Amino acid sequence: GQSLEQPSEVTAVEGAIVQINCTYQTSGFYGLSWYQQHDGGAPTFLSYNALDGLEETGRFSSFLSRSDSYGYLLLQELQMKDSASYFCAVKSNYQLIWGAGTKLIIKP
Amino acid sequence: DTEVTQTPKHLVMGMTNKKSLKCEQHMGHRAMYWYKQKAKKPPELMFVYSYEKLSINESVPSRFSPECPNSSLLNLHLHALQPEDSALYLCASSQGLAEARNEQFFGPGTRLTVL
Repeated sequence: GQSLEQPSEVTAVEGAIVQINCTYQTSGFYGLSWYQQHDGGAPTFLSYNALDGLEETGRFSSFLSRSDSYGYLLLQELQMKDSASYFCAVKSNYQLIWGAGTKLIIKP
Repeated sequence: DTEVTQTPKHLVMGMTNKKSLKCEQHMGHRAMYWYKQKAKKPPELMFVYSYEKLSINESVPSRFSPECPNSSLLNLHLHALQPEDSALYLCASSQGLAEARNEQFFGPGTRLTVL
């Protein structure tokens, strides 16, 4: 079967750094994507990793290890507006397979 | 224009009603998607259109009927829905199904309530 595992909830303090992990098991792999979704909003694309290593985009970074079928999203200098759900996703058979999502709670 | 628009934003309908959801994008994307999302769950794929042809139907009940009139428009026709169909319906588009990155752009969604 195809599945992505990520923690259901992560709590962090404003200004801190948080890492959201994702492990995947899929038939065929092109790359790992991350999406952010605020309550009541639509998912928005954050990042995509096709090769091993770290990709940095401002305060957000994403990492992939293909040999370990593992990736993570790293959020630095957390702000209250980063409170949202974060989904990892993998493309398979022309569609995205989504993780269950991680709710990030940020405390002042 | 990097926006996907959806109308209406909210819809309340009875189980005997017929209604349609509309989606539009002007990014020249060739793939368009309908998703259903329940609270605290990931988006659940319903249909995928590629070059205006239905490519994927994820065993969706026939009370949901998609339509792609042209490369910019995607409709979802609703008929005889059940209360359990109440959800957020999201439209998305991407450059194409063959693109490895498959970055999808989502519309704001239609919040559907079936009474």
